[in-house]
Amino acid sequence: EVVLTQSPDFQSVTPKEKVTITCRASQNIGTTLHWYQQKPDQSPKLLIKYASQSFSGVPSRFSGSGSGTDFTLTINSLEADDAATYYCHQSSTLPYTFGQGTKLEIK
Amino acid sequence: EVQLVQSGGDLVQPGGSLRLSCVASGFTFSSYRMNWVRQAPGRGLEWLSYIDGSGYYISYADSAEGRFTISRDNAKSSLYLQMNSLTAEDTAVYYCARDGFGESDFDNWGQGTLVTVSP
Repeated sequence: EVVLTQSPDFQSVTPKEKVTITCRASQNIGTTLHWYQQKPDQSPKLLIKYASQSFSGVPSRFSGSGSGTDFTLTINSLEADDAATYYCHQSSTLPYTFGQGTKLEIK
Repeated sequence: EVQLVQSGGDLVQPGGSLRLSCVASGFTFSSYRMNWVRQAPGRGLEWLSYIDGSGYYISYADSAEGRFTISRDNAKSSLYLQMNSLTAEDTAVYYCARDGFGESDFDNWGQGTLVTVSP
Protein backbone atom coordinates (compact mmCIF):
# COMPACT_ATOMS: atom_id res chain seq x y z
CA GLU A 1 0.00 0.00 0.00
CA VAL A 2 1.25 3.46 -0.89
CA VAL A 3 1.40 5.64 2.21
CA LEU A 4 0.93 9.37 1.63
CA THR A 5 2.28 11.68 4.32
CA GLN A 6 1.22 15.30 4.28
CA SER A 7 2.88 18.19 6.06
CA PRO A 8 2.01 20.15 7.98
CA ASP A 9 -1.00 18.64 9.74
CA PHE A 10 -2.24 22.10 10.67
CA GLN A 11 -1.35 25.63 9.63
CA SER A 12 -2.70 28.98 10.76
CA VAL A 13 -2.23 31.62 8.08
CA THR A 14 -3.25 35.18 7.30
CA PRO A 15 -5.08 36.31 4.17
CA LYS A 16 -2.89 37.11 1.16
CA GLU A 17 -0.17 34.74 2.43
CA LYS A 18 1.28 32.05 0.19
CA VAL A 19 0.72 28.53 1.51
CA THR A 20 2.58 25.37 0.59
CA ILE A 21 1.36 21.88 1.52
CA THR A 22 3.51 18.87 0.77
CA CYS A 23 2.60 15.24 0.16
CA ARG A 24 5.24 12.53 0.19
CA ALA A 25 4.55 9.06 -1.21
CA SER A 26 6.19 5.92 0.16
CA GLN A 27 7.02 4.82 -3.38
CA ASN A 28 7.21 6.27 -6.88
CA ILE A 29 3.71 7.10 -8.14
CA GLY A 30 4.64 9.14 -11.19
CA THR A 31 2.13 11.98 -11.45
CA THR A 32 -0.99 10.06 -10.39
CA LEU A 33 -1.50 12.36 -7.44
CA HIS A 34 -4.59 14.51 -6.92
CA TRP A 35 -5.56 17.24 -4.43
CA TYR A 36 -8.95 17.87 -2.82
CA GLN A 37 -10.41 20.58 -0.61
CA GLN A 38 -12.97 19.71 2.04
CA LYS A 39 -14.81 22.33 4.05
CA PRO A 40 -16.65 21.42 7.27
CA ASP A 41 -19.79 19.36 6.65
CA GLN A 42 -19.19 19.34 2.90
CA SER A 43 -18.02 16.73 0.39
CA PRO A 44 -14.46 16.92 -0.90
CA LYS A 45 -13.89 18.88 -4.09
CA LEU A 46 -11.21 18.20 -6.69
CA LEU A 47 -8.66 21.00 -7.05
CA ILE A 48 -5.69 19.54 -8.92
CA LYS A 49 -5.42 16.28 -10.86
CA TYR A 50 -2.34 14.41 -12.02
CA ALA A 51 -0.03 16.53 -9.86
CA SER A 52 -0.31 19.78 -11.78
CA GLN A 53 -3.50 19.94 -13.87
CA SER A 54 -6.03 22.41 -12.55
CA PHE A 55 -9.60 21.12 -12.43
CA SER A 56 -12.25 23.11 -14.25
CA GLY A 57 -13.54 26.10 -12.30
CA VAL A 58 -10.81 26.05 -9.65
CA PRO A 59 -9.35 29.50 -8.93
CA SER A 60 -5.94 30.11 -10.46
CA ARG A 61 -4.38 30.75 -7.06
CA PHE A 62 -4.34 26.96 -6.56
CA SER A 63 -1.48 25.10 -8.26
CA GLY A 64 0.26 21.78 -7.94
CA SER A 65 3.67 20.38 -8.77
CA GLY A 66 5.84 17.35 -8.30
CA SER A 67 6.38 13.82 -9.53
CA GLY A 68 7.69 10.54 -8.24
CA THR A 69 7.43 10.75 -4.46
CA ASP A 70 7.28 14.47 -3.64
CA PHE A 71 4.34 16.73 -4.42
CA THR A 72 3.28 20.24 -3.50
CA LEU A 73 0.00 22.12 -3.41
CA THR A 74 0.48 25.89 -3.45
CA ILE A 75 -2.16 28.48 -2.66
CA ASN A 76 -1.14 31.97 -3.69
CA SER A 77 -2.70 35.02 -2.05
CA LEU A 78 -4.79 33.05 0.43
CA GLU A 79 -8.42 34.08 0.88
CA ALA A 80 -10.72 33.57 3.87
CA ASP A 81 -12.77 31.13 1.78
CA ASP A 82 -9.75 28.80 1.60
CA ALA A 83 -10.20 27.69 5.21
CA ALA A 84 -10.55 23.93 4.82
CA THR A 85 -8.80 20.58 5.08
CA TYR A 86 -6.74 19.56 2.07
CA TYR A 87 -6.09 15.96 1.07
CA CYS A 88 -3.76 14.35 -1.44
CA HIS A 89 -4.80 11.10 -3.10
CA GLN A 90 -2.89 8.58 -5.21
CA SER A 91 -4.43 6.42 -7.91
CA SER A 92 -1.24 4.80 -9.15
CA THR A 93 -1.55 1.61 -7.16
CA LEU A 94 -4.43 -0.26 -5.55
CA PRO A 95 -5.63 0.25 -2.93
CA TYR A 96 -6.06 3.95 -3.63
CA THR A 97 -4.95 5.96 -0.62
CA PHE A 98 -5.26 9.45 0.81
CA GLY A 99 -2.97 11.57 2.90
CA GLN A 100 -4.03 12.29 6.46
CA GLY A 101 -5.09 15.83 5.61
CA THR A 102 -3.81 19.34 6.27
CA LYS A 103 -6.13 21.73 8.06
CA LEU A 104 -5.77 25.39 7.14
CA GLU A 105 -7.02 27.99 9.60
CA ILE A 106 -7.34 31.59 8.48
CA LYS A 107 -6.34 34.10 11.16
CA GLU B 1 -24.93 19.54 -14.36
CA VAL B 2 -23.44 16.43 -12.83
CA GLN B 3 -25.31 15.31 -9.72
CA LEU B 4 -24.77 12.35 -7.42
CA VAL B 5 -27.59 11.98 -4.89
CA GLN B 6 -27.03 9.53 -2.10
CA SER B 7 -29.39 7.71 0.26
CA GLY B 8 -29.53 4.73 2.56
CA GLY B 9 -27.53 5.80 5.59
CA ASP B 10 -29.03 4.82 8.93
CA LEU B 11 -28.45 3.63 12.46
CA VAL B 12 -27.78 -0.11 12.41
CA GLN B 13 -26.86 -2.61 15.09
CA PRO B 14 -23.49 -4.38 15.11
CA GLY B 15 -23.63 -7.39 12.82
CA GLY B 16 -26.35 -5.80 10.74
CA SER B 17 -26.53 -4.93 7.06
CA LEU B 18 -27.25 -1.82 5.05
CA ARG B 19 -27.47 -0.89 1.36
CA LEU B 20 -26.35 2.53 0.20
CA SER B 21 -27.47 4.07 -3.07
CA CYS B 22 -26.12 6.82 -5.31
CA VAL B 23 -28.26 8.07 -8.18
CA ALA B 24 -26.43 9.89 -10.95
CA SER B 25 -27.67 12.47 -13.40
CA GLY B 26 -26.24 14.94 -15.88
CA PHE B 27 -23.85 12.53 -17.59
CA THR B 28 -23.73 9.15 -19.33
CA PHE B 29 -23.47 7.00 -16.22
CA SER B 30 -22.37 3.80 -17.99
CA SER B 31 -19.27 5.55 -19.34
CA TYR B 32 -17.74 6.24 -15.96
CA ARG B 33 -16.03 4.24 -13.26
CA MET B 34 -17.51 4.90 -9.84
CA ASN B 35 -16.12 4.71 -6.32
CA TRP B 36 -17.12 4.54 -2.68
CA VAL B 37 -15.09 6.51 -0.13
CA ARG B 38 -15.80 6.85 3.59
CA GLN B 39 -14.82 9.22 6.38
CA ALA B 40 -15.08 8.24 10.02
CA PRO B 41 -16.03 11.04 12.43
CA GLY B 42 -13.17 13.53 12.73
CA ARG B 43 -10.94 11.37 10.52
CA GLY B 44 -9.57 11.39 6.99
CA LEU B 45 -10.77 9.85 3.74
CA GLU B 46 -10.61 6.12 3.03
CA TRP B 47 -11.19 4.62 -0.40
CA LEU B 48 -13.32 1.48 -0.26
CA SER B 49 -14.11 0.24 -3.74
CA TYR B 50 -14.53 0.96 -7.42
CA ILE B 51 -16.54 -0.50 -10.25
CA ASP B 52 -15.98 0.18 -13.94
CA GLY B 53 -18.68 1.37 -16.32
CA SER B 54 -19.67 -2.11 -17.41
CA GLY B 55 -19.77 -3.47 -13.88
CA TYR B 56 -17.21 -6.10 -14.80
CA TYR B 57 -14.06 -4.77 -13.17
CA ILE B 58 -14.29 -4.31 -9.41
CA SER B 59 -11.72 -3.69 -6.71
CA TYR B 60 -11.94 -3.41 -2.92
CA ALA B 61 -9.82 -2.13 -0.08
CA ASP B 62 -8.94 -4.76 2.51
CA SER B 63 -11.38 -3.14 4.95
CA ALA B 64 -14.25 -3.79 2.51
CA GLU B 65 -13.23 -7.11 0.96
CA GLY B 66 -15.57 -9.94 1.89
CA ARG B 67 -18.13 -7.76 3.71
CA PHE B 68 -19.03 -5.04 1.23
CA THR B 69 -20.30 -5.49 -2.34
CA ILE B 70 -20.29 -2.73 -4.93
CA SER B 71 -22.72 -2.91 -7.83
CA ARG B 72 -24.41 -0.70 -10.38
CA ASP B 73 -27.54 -0.57 -12.51
CA ASN B 74 -26.76 1.48 -15.60
CA ALA B 75 -30.40 1.47 -16.69
CA LYS B 76 -31.22 3.31 -13.46
CA SER B 77 -27.99 5.35 -13.38
CA SER B 78 -27.47 4.00 -9.90
CA LEU B 79 -24.52 2.82 -7.83
CA TYR B 80 -24.89 0.66 -4.75
CA LEU B 81 -22.88 -0.51 -1.76
CA GLN B 82 -24.18 -3.51 0.13
CA MET B 83 -22.58 -3.64 3.57
CA ASN B 84 -22.79 -6.73 5.78
CA SER B 85 -21.43 -7.72 9.19
CA LEU B 86 -21.13 -4.09 10.23
CA THR B 87 -19.08 -3.09 13.26
CA ALA B 88 -18.61 0.16 15.16
CA GLU B 89 -15.49 0.79 13.07
CA ASP B 90 -17.73 1.13 10.00
CA THR B 91 -19.40 4.22 11.48
CA ALA B 92 -18.69 6.95 8.95
CA VAL B 93 -20.02 9.24 6.26
CA TYR B 94 -20.00 7.30 3.00
CA TYR B 95 -19.46 9.13 -0.29
CA CYS B 96 -19.89 8.01 -3.86
CA ALA B 97 -17.42 9.61 -6.24
CA ARG B 98 -17.06 9.61 -10.01
CA ASP B 99 -13.77 9.06 -11.80
CA GLY B 100 -12.76 11.61 -14.37
CA PHE B 101 -13.50 10.35 -17.90
CA GLY B 102 -10.78 7.83 -18.68
CA GLU B 103 -8.91 9.03 -15.62
CA SER B 104 -8.65 8.13 -11.96
CA ASP B 105 -9.12 11.37 -10.09
CA PHE B 106 -12.48 11.79 -8.32
CA ASP B 107 -14.03 14.74 -10.11
CA ASN B 108 -17.53 14.70 -8.63
CA TRP B 109 -18.76 13.56 -5.23
CA GLY B 110 -22.12 12.79 -3.70
CA GLN B 111 -23.33 14.68 -0.65
CA GLY B 112 -22.51 11.78 1.66
CA THR B 113 -24.72 9.58 3.81
CA LEU B 114 -24.10 8.79 7.48
CA VAL B 115 -23.91 5.20 8.66
CA THR B 116 -23.90 4.71 12.42
CA VAL B 117 -23.25 1.26 13.84
CA SER B 118 -24.33 1.11 17.47
CA PRO B 119 -26.36 -1.18 19.77
